[in-house]
Amino acid sequence: EVQLVQSGAGVKKPGESLRIYCKASGYSFTSYWVAWVRQRPGKGLEWMGVVYPGDSDTRYSPSFQGQVTMSVDKSVKTVHLQWSSLKASDTAMYYCARVLTGTLDASDVWGQGTMVIVSS
Amino acid sequence: DIQMTQSPSTLSASVGDRVTITCRASQSINDWLAWYQQKPGKAPKLLISKASSLQRGVPSRFSGSGSGTEFTLTISSLQPDDFATYYCQQYKSHSVTFGQGTKVDLK
Repeated sequence: EVQLVQSGAGVKKPGESLRIYCKASGYSFTSYWVAWVRQRPGKGLEWMGVVYPGDSDTRYSPSFQGQVTMSVDKSVKTVHLQWSSLKASDTAMYYCARVLTGTLDASDVWGQGTMVIVSS
Repeated sequence: DIQMTQSPSTLSASVGDRVTITCRASQSINDWLAWYQQKPGKAPKLLISKASSLQRGVPSRFSGSGSGTEFTLTISSLQPDDFATYYCQQYKSHSVTFGQGTKVDLK
């Protein structure tokens, strides 16, 4: 079964760092781009960018460039999303999702989401 | 960025109704458009890609049409499982963007 399983919820203070993960199984991990999507409480979906596990290439949305870092650990078929200094406005659900083909396509498989809460 | 505007924002309907949701792009996106269904507390589910290509396993009561700047998602006969929020997504540009969502609720 093709699956993306994400790390559990995290509660952090402003200024702290955080790394969440998305672990793939059931398909050729290095052949598909993986997207990250943010959803703030009660709001819509925002595309953050994509990472290619084959060579760790990344493409960020201008809105998220410099705010987060996407990375890959091929040895454990996992992609990561990282913040160096969290803000309260980073409070959201974060989804990873496999991109159908190439860098630009719909996403057919989604993780269950990781809730990140940033509060003092 | 390409702006995606969905209408209506909320749609109240009954089981068995034919439901149509519209998505407009601020510039032509050819047919690089997807539709997703999201239920509370769940991840989005891909229904349609490339404007009209139904994903495997998605009921045939869902259909998509359009190209360029105007697109529609139609549910031919609304079922109880279809009450949810629906999002369109353009993936023509590297700044992928979603519509703001259309919530389908019970009339």
